[in-house]
Amino acid sequence: DTGVSQDPRHKITKRGQNVTFRCDPISEHNRLYWYRQTLGQGPEFLTYFQNEAQLEKSRLLSDRFSAERPKGSFSTLEIQRTEQGDSAMYLCASSPHGTPPSYEQYFGPGTRLTVT
Amino acid sequence: GIQVEQSPPDLILQEGANSTLRCNFSDSVNNLQWFHQNPWGQLINLFYIPSGTKQNGRLSATTVATERYSLLYISSSQTTDSGVYFCAVEDNQGGKLIFGQGTELSVKP
Repeated sequence: DTGVSQDPRHKITKRGQNVTFRCDPISEHNRLYWYRQTLGQGPEFLTYFQNEAQLEKSRLLSDRFSAERPKGSFSTLEIQRTEQGDSAMYLCASSPHGTPPSYEQYFGPGTRLTVT
Repeated sequence: GIQVEQSPPDLILQEGANSTLRCNFSDSVNNLQWFHQNPWGQLINLFYIPSGTKQNGRLSATTVATERYSLLYISSSQTTDSGVYFCAVEDNQGGKLIFGQGTELSVKP
């Protein structure tokens, strides 16, 4: 059983450019989460999907951020017009979901974004 | 929203020593997980422990949900235990995890 995978692992971009990250969850997991982690801090929630439905978005997710999970499998996170403050590690996690109402989340290796 | 506090923020140990890391949370939760973040940033699952006690080798964890805290015990520490340990809780509103600030552990040979 492969774990959560993310691509790319590292991305360096210039301010103002658009970037897109991909996450492939564990195959039988129907929930997929995005988090962001800046240096010295714990990860912070951005958004999550159950199958293809986006169920919650954090207020951290400004209008420049958009996430999709079109067929309920992989997900993409796009950042438009990147700013230096977007530099962070972007983490993806997945979990099964059913009864009982909560299951363990497993994280991918992350995509480290540097905006110059 | 739920607040998660971890203590201590930093811990330096000699190899072979034991340690206890604490996680306090401000409200009832559905789920609590402990993670170890390696130097490359990968979060490694240690325990899924909304209540009770679990053990895995030299590591064990206890969550007392009624008193809103969890403890992670590391015995006979090794240099490979170094890194940041995070506690994260899932609130009752949905699926997201809320992380503490972490405890940075350094084990010296």
